[in-house]
Amino acid sequence: DAGITQSPRHKVTETGTPVTLRCHQTENHRYMYWYRQDPGHGLRLIHYSYGVKDTDKGEVSDGYSVSRSKTEDFLLTLESATSSQTSVYFCAISEPTGPNTEAFFGQGTRLTVV
Amino acid sequence: AQSVSQHNHHVILSEAASLELGCNYSYGGTVNLFWYVQYPGQHLQLLLKYFSGDPLVKGIKGFEAEFIKSKFSFNLRKPSVQWSDTAEYFCAVNNNAGNMLTFGGGTRLMVKP
Repeated sequence: DAGITQSPRHKVTETGTPVTLRCHQTENHRYMYWYRQDPGHGLRLIHYSYGVKDTDKGEVSDGYSVSRSKTEDFLLTLESATSSQTSVYFCAISEPTGPNTEAFFGQGTRLTVV
Repeated sequence: AQSVSQHNHHVILSEAASLELGCNYSYGGTVNLFWYVQYPGQHLQLLLKYFSGDPLVKGIKGFEAEFIKSKFSFNLRKPSVQWSDTAEYFCAVNNNAGNMLTFGGGTRLMVKP
């Protein structure tokens, strides 16, 4: 398995509180992604990063922010959590240079907003 | 923007039955295509991928997929499923720049022993 660690693995939080999820990689891949997985929607891209301090929005970025101050860490922050952000969050990494491009996924973080 | 459609949301099969899961994408340029599998409680794992060359791609565990460019399709097949194939399957596409992997909604497969 690729060296991707997500923390925490499970979290329950209250509406309106800030939450930060961490993704740590040991593969030195340039690209890192945050997805959320919801039944019937597959995985939807929240934000991604293509290098230190280089980030961009995905299709469901509202209510989320990210930061990447080091190659190995990509943080996802919910500034003020809402019940609609209850989901399973997956971090992924890739190094898109040629035919071996594929994304590797972390174990996921199950977030419940009550 | 690229998008991916998986037409079957739930599939139930008996062991030894043949499997075909549909995947269609919309993107006008060159794409890379993937099938991922997620076993219950686990993260996504790559089953197979297509970048170029032979449009019939073979992956792990006896799975294969065929890229039909004229139909914008990348259907997943397996001649004889096993109970251990029970999982959720996701088709995904990215463009040649490789910076945004777009997923379909997933197909949940249940194989009855």
